Amino acid sequence: DTAVSQTPKYLVTQMGNDKSIKCEQNLGHDTMYWYKQDSKKFLKIMFSYNNKELIINETVPNRFSPKSPDKAHLNLHINSLELGDSAVYFCASSQDPGDEQFFGPGTRLTVL
Amino acid sequence: SQQGEEDPQALSIQEGENATMNCSYKTSINNLQWYRQNSGRGLVHLILIRSNEREKHSGRLRVTLDTSKKSSSLLITASRAADTASYFCATDELGGGADGLTFGKGTHLIIQP
Repeated sequence: DTAVSQTPKYLVTQMGNDKSIKCEQNLGHDTMYWYKQDSKKFLKIMFSYNNKELIINETVPNRFSPKSPDKAHLNLHINSLELGDSAVYFCASSQDPGDEQFFGPGTRLTVL
Repeated sequence: SQQGEEDPQALSIQEGENATMNCSYKTSINNLQWYRQNSGRGLVHLILIRSNEREKHSGRLRVTLDTSKKSSSLLITASRAADTASYFCATDELGGGADGLTFGKGTHLIIQP
């Protein structure tokens, strides 16, 4: 069974479109995260969500919004996509903040 | 600002040799973790060392932590071709709350058969 899953694995879209990436974890963890990994492999935290508390990295544009319908899901919505949004996006989860994190396989987003 | 900085950025060694990677960080931490990322895949947790620990072992992995120097090292002994991957250190900052981990830029390790 996959612990943290993301869909889709690849996403190719035009500038200006709105898209969503889904994430689900079946580990019963209380905390979920979204990371962005750029072309140089630098991994940057975008959001963390724990017990309905959302923490946003201040550098993340407000075009990005996480939505958590329940504890097992943290989806990422992106409005008005820009070329610079092209990257690999990873979802992760942990029981508590600071614990070891379990990562999903990533979603490679390409904005044309 | 960048918290973890791995050194070297890239490392190429022969199979069977030992590989050592270093990580430096800037703030006080609760723990430091090492992750591996194979090409095109998600990160996999390797080992977690708490701020009050100095050394930890897991199989062929040995991690050290020096909080006075704000540095850590990851040693992989008797390397194998399957160890080829990028290795990241990540810190859980003291007082960081639910911020999550801060990752370094990674060391790309290549094991030559």
